[in-house]
Amino acid sequence: QQQVKQSPQSLIVQKGGISIINCAYENTAFDYFPWYQQFPGKGPALLIAIRPDVSEKKEGRFTISFNKSAKQFSLHIMDSQPGDSATYFCAASKSGGYQKVTFGTGTKLQVIP
Amino acid sequence: EPEVTQTPSHQVTQMGQEVILRCVPISNHLYFYWYRQILGQKVEFLVSFYNNEISEKSEIFDDQFSVERPDGSNFTLKIRSTKLEDSAMYFCASSAERGSNEQFFGPGTRLTVL
Repeated sequence: QQQVKQSPQSLIVQKGGISIINCAYENTAFDYFPWYQQFPGKGPALLIAIRPDVSEKKEGRFTISFNKSAKQFSLHIMDSQPGDSATYFCAASKSGGYQKVTFGTGTKLQVIP
Repeated sequence: EPEVTQTPSHQVTQMGQEVILRCVPISNHLYFYWYRQILGQKVEFLVSFYNNEISEKSEIFDDQFSVERPDGSNFTLKIRSTKLEDSAMYFCASSAERGSNEQFFGPGTRLTVL
């Protein structure tokens, strides 16, 4: 019940295209859903996050769509660039300090010129 | 911009040896975490630490693991007797305050157990 499922495992997108990564969760106690971006040899870096009281959040080229009833959320990267090539992790946690983050399995995105 | 730092960046050890991984969280942060990532797999929670005690630990965090905040700046993870399966990237993270979910991750320590 603590799992966060993520798909696809890998994704190749043409420069300028839209990258879409999907996630699903089971634990309804989760109420914070961040996305992390990880470059090789680096730690995960928070990209964008959403709480379940909104259905969409947009920051620049990155948008999270959230469907509370389906317990699903997704990351859309518009106008994908080669510099976006990285591994993306969806995640979930409960509110409050000291709450652990439960990560999805990761999506390796490659944006080709 | 403040950041979480970790040392060493790479640690090689023999099976059965003790290792200490070190972290300096962001200075005004109150909550501290260790996660690990086995090569090619997802990031897994190990332990959270607040007010000088463990708040939560995963099933991975057995008696071979311990954490400590020996002074006002460092946060350490000790593995008493390393096993081959402890080989992984270990990430330290910190977050600022109660109600803040945003965790900031360090660059990681790659632990290789031979």
